[in-house]
Amino acid sequence: NAGVTQTPKFRVLKTGQSMTLLCAQDMNHEYMYWYRQDPGMGLRLIHYSVGEGTTAKGEVPDGYNVSRLKKQNFLLGLESAAPSQTSVYFCASSRQGRGETQYFGPGTRLLVL
Amino acid sequence: EDQVTQSPEALRLQEGESSSLNCSYTVSGLRGLFWYRQDPGKGPEFLFTLYSAGEEKEKERLKATLTKKESFLHITAPKPEDSATYLCAAHNTDKLIFGTGTRLQVFP
Repeated sequence: NAGVTQTPKFRVLKTGQSMTLLCAQDMNHEYMYWYRQDPGMGLRLIHYSVGEGTTAKGEVPDGYNVSRLKKQNFLLGLESAAPSQTSVYFCASSRQGRGETQYFGPGTRLLVL
Repeated sequence: EDQVTQSPEALRLQEGESSSLNCSYTVSGLRGLFWYRQDPGKGPEFLFTLYSAGEEKEKERLKATLTKKESFLHITAPKPEDSATYLCAAHNTDKLIFGTGTRLQVFP
């Protein structure tokens, strides 16, 4: 099993450009999450999904959109990137709710110039 | 406000020098306390979950304990390969709240 995978691993964007980050999991987990990790701050939840076709806002959802068209995939979109979105983005999944163990992907490092 | 605080921010140990990492939490209705290990450039890797005060879990040189206010990650006779950032996270009834981590460096 590959677990949780993320693409791309690294990306540089100019302010105003758009992009989509892809997360895939092969563990048949219901819940999937997108976090961002910034220096000096804990992981912060952007959006999450409790199942195929569902999404919900986390702590810091502004400037991001998500979609979960297939159970195994969770996409994070930036419609108009801003320098404040420079961060490392992690996808995670869990079998059921947020109280269960979350398994993380390797991360995507995003630099917005 | 629910909060998780980890200390120290950074810790340097000589190989074999045992120590403890602290995770203090202020969370209403704790449902679980998680410990993760994160290597540079990688995602967090699950270590332990603790659910109630007094509970302990062990894995190799690591032992996690939980009280009503804090959790400790004890590292016994660490090796250089234990160098990483250790994250804790508290689950309340609604969400998972992460601390900022302790960066551990173990020197031979």
